[in-house]
Amino acid sequence: NAGVTQTPKFRVLKTGQSMTLLCAQDMNHEYMYWYRQDPGMGLRLIHYSVGEGTTAKGEVPDGYNVSRLKKQNFLLGLESAAPSQTSVYFCASSSPLEPSGTDTQYFGPGTRLTVL
Amino acid sequence: QKEVEQDPGPLSVPEGAIVSLNCTYSNSAFQYFMWYRQYSRKGPELLMYTYSSGNKEDGRFTAQVDKSSKYISLFIRDSQPSDSATYLCAMSRAGNNRKLIWGLGTSLAVNP
Repeated sequence: NAGVTQTPKFRVLKTGQSMTLLCAQDMNHEYMYWYRQDPGMGLRLIHYSVGEGTTAKGEVPDGYNVSRLKKQNFLLGLESAAPSQTSVYFCASSSPLEPSGTDTQYFGPGTRLTVL
Repeated sequence: QKEVEQDPGPLSVPEGAIVSLNCTYSNSAFQYFMWYRQYSRKGPELLMYTYSSGNKEDGRFTAQVDKSSKYISLFIRDSQPSDSATYLCAMSRAGNNRKLIWGLGTSLAVNP
């Protein structure tokens, strides 16, 4: 049981390049999330998904696209990277069936992205 | 005004000290209150959660919620160097809204 995994762990891009970040979870969770974390800004929600085939915008969606073609995977795409997208990106998942009834989110290890 | 306010610190304490971490919030609709711990270069992990008001204890950790004051706290007793991390508070409304509202996190260093 690997939990939430993210690929790649590190990446350096040049301005204007594109890339896709992959998130995978093996906990059969319905909900998945993409966050970015920046010093002084905390965790900010980019996009999220409440089920296979569905996506929704979060707090800072501009410049990103997402897809949830399979329940276990959530992809985050940057079509034309900008230096402002230099950040640490975290994927998380959660389940509405969590016994606690809370929104316990399980996080991946993060992807460190630098855009030059 | 941010919905959740949290002093980023940093906070530095000697080993064995009692640590108090706090968040304030403005939205009275929040029902679930969580504390996540994030070690350096790792993802956050859930430490404790509380529903509505009251206290919850788990080993050396105690979470308190005071809804009348819109204030939550995390206490760490007998702090250890392994407690050195960033502590993030998070909150959510009841019902189908699955989005968490996060504090900025407080950086804690426990010195041996």
